Amino acid sequence: EIVLTQSPGTLSLSPGERATLSCRASQSVSSDYLAWYQQKPGQAPRLLIYGASSRATAIPDRFRGSGSGTDFTLIISRLEPEDFAVYYCQQYGSAPRTFGQGTKLEIK
Amino acid sequence: QLQLQESGPGLVKPSETLSLTCSVSGGSISSSPYWWGWLRQPPGKGLEWIGSISYSGTTYYTPSFKSRITISYDTSKNQVSLKLTSVSAADTAVYYCARLGLGLPFDYWGQGILVTVSS
Repeated sequence: EIVLTQSPGTLSLSPGERATLSCRASQSVSSDYLAWYQQKPGQAPRLLIYGASSRATAIPDRFRGSGSGTDFTLIISRLEPEDFAVYYCQQYGSAPRTFGQGTKLEIK
Repeated sequence: QLQLQESGPGLVKPSETLSLTCSVSGGSISSSPYWWGWLRQPPGKGLEWIGSISYSGTTYYTPSFKSRITISYDTSKNQVSLKLTSVSAADTAVYYCARLGLGLPFDYWGQGILVTVSS
């Protein structure tokens, strides 16, 4: 089973700033099948990025995913108030699919 | 627009069986190449994949749950079901259904249903 480790655990930033979230895999993610999800309190996760770098439908271009193999990054270029949430990475290249523990992005 | 909706009891007694249904609208659960999965999230914790069923009825159960779960579907009702046996307080969580596929992420999610295991 692939273990995904996200860092930092909590990121405190202000609107307008740039956020950089990291996801490291315990082994190479097949075909770079790595996704990022955003989850707000009381809501289901929302798919942001798939295939490490492709934005899902209707996701603003301030969200950018990159990386390959074992190291992946989600960058939010200019934080909007609605971006403060918990972000999860998830690999779907190997069974069982696994999630990182999450990064909480909070307002500074 | 594809929509998924979980339903079932919000309270289950320890040692009993948790049964949930996911009703899908705006698309057929029999459509290739999609699978339909169940995930859960204990209060204040992260996400965990439980298992999935394909458009043709093939199932995959994650090792952690393999001995206790059954996932099935009813194509006439366009519903997917989850049964989790011998529940304990550790099974208290929000349970989600979601669409996935081979080489595809979880792209559509239900709103989730909180299931509490308590006597």
